[in-house]
Amino acid sequence: AQKVTQAQTEISVVEKEDVTLDCVYETRDTTYYLFWYKQPPSGELVFLIRRNSFDEQNEISGRYSWNFQKSTSSFNFTITASQVVDSAVYFCALSEAREGAQKLVFGQGTRLTINP
Amino acid sequence: DGGITQSPKYLFRKEGQNVTLSCEQNLNHDAMYWYRQDPGQGLRLIYYSQIVNDFQKGDIAEGYSVSREKKESFPLTVTSAQKNPTAFYLCASNRLTGHGYTFGSGTRLTVV
Repeated sequence: AQKVTQAQTEISVVEKEDVTLDCVYETRDTTYYLFWYKQPPSGELVFLIRRNSFDEQNEISGRYSWNFQKSTSSFNFTITASQVVDSAVYFCALSEAREGAQKLVFGQGTRLTINP
Repeated sequence: DGGITQSPKYLFRKEGQNVTLSCEQNLNHDAMYWYRQDPGQGLRLIYYSQIVNDFQKGDIAEGYSVSREKKESFPLTVTSAQKNPTAFYLCASNRLTGHGYTFGSGTRLTVV
């Protein structure tokens, strides 16, 4: 069975600090997708990134970066120079990579608070 | 703009009543999903549908029912058999090619 673990329930930092959100996953599939979503107080989930299991290159998008390490089954998310607007709950998720509907398995989420 | 519309945003239900949550998408997505979120927890899959008139149970389908009569619509009924229905419900959709989901803004259901 697939499983996603986000061990950090809550993180609180001061603005401009760097912060890393951890994500560890379990799957027997050789091909899969990993995702990160942001959930602001409004409740809607905002898509941040999707990574295919074959692509282990790290990715940077502005202040956001992702470190995918297949050897340790981890897909960590770093926010550089954090801002108050980054405050939200962040979810890591995993899905099979196959034709048809892909069911997402979510971690428990990490509540990130950026203090001014 | 294309997106997913969930209504209502807030819903109150008396114990023993059935209630239906609406989910409509104009993205021409094939697959649609319903997830439930409880405080401090991740999302759990209730039901999903790949095509019209077809749907499958997710991990926590007991006490829920769905229909998919149109590609754009995937309503969720929370029945009286659902013992603890108070939660935040999110609808999502995507194409059947592995692209990221689009989520609705959610419906917060409270049993009073």
